[in-house]
Amino acid sequence: AQSVAQPEDQVNVAEGNPLTVKCTYSVSGNPYLFWYVQYPNRGLQFLLKYITGDNLVKGSYGFEAEFNKSQTSFHLKKPSALVSDSALYFCAVRGSGGSYIPTFGRGTSLIVHP
Amino acid sequence: DGGITQSPKYLFRKEGQNVTLSCEQNLNHDAMYWYRQDPGQGLRLIYYSQIVNDFQKGDIAEGYSVSREKKESFPLTVTSAQKNPTAFYLCASRNNREGGYGYTFGSGTRLTVV
Repeated sequence: AQSVAQPEDQVNVAEGNPLTVKCTYSVSGNPYLFWYVQYPNRGLQFLLKYITGDNLVKGSYGFEAEFNKSQTSFHLKKPSALVSDSALYFCAVRGSGGSYIPTFGRGTSLIVHP
Repeated sequence: DGGITQSPKYLFRKEGQNVTLSCEQNLNHDAMYWYRQDPGQGLRLIYYSQIVNDFQKGDIAEGYSVSREKKESFPLTVTSAQKNPTAFYLCASRNNREGGYGYTFGSGTRLTVV
């Protein structure tokens, strides 16, 4: 079975400061990892993915994520937060085989204060 | 522009009534999915379809039904057997030939029981 944990329901950060949204996972075999962002009453938008290769993955809107195999983590980061980054962020994982159905975390609400 | 269209954006259902949520995609994606989103619970998989005329139950299929008669369309019916249907419903699709990477999501339908 595969699972994802987003340990923080909410993350608060001041504009201009670096931000981190945490994600840990459990999966059989090699993980495929994803981050999505959701704005109010909208669908999820793809931010970035890790399939293989470099542990630091760069994505949309200046976001990046670091894959750490030993810690089974895939934390989302951004060097300088913007108020417009305030949204709900979802981490997702799936294994490298099977039905390609990912498991989503519960989501972390990011609030960036001016 | 290619994408996924969900309609209606808002839907109100009376007790004991069946309602159907529409999901149409023009991305030529093979696989389509329905998720239910409740506050603090993340996304839960209702049904999915990897190919036309075939679909599989997800984690919370009870009280829901789907059909996949065309590649472009994957409507979801919320039946009167679903006792707590008030939620935000998201449709997604994926191209099998891309190795099952990320999803594309629609903008969602918010269903409320009145």
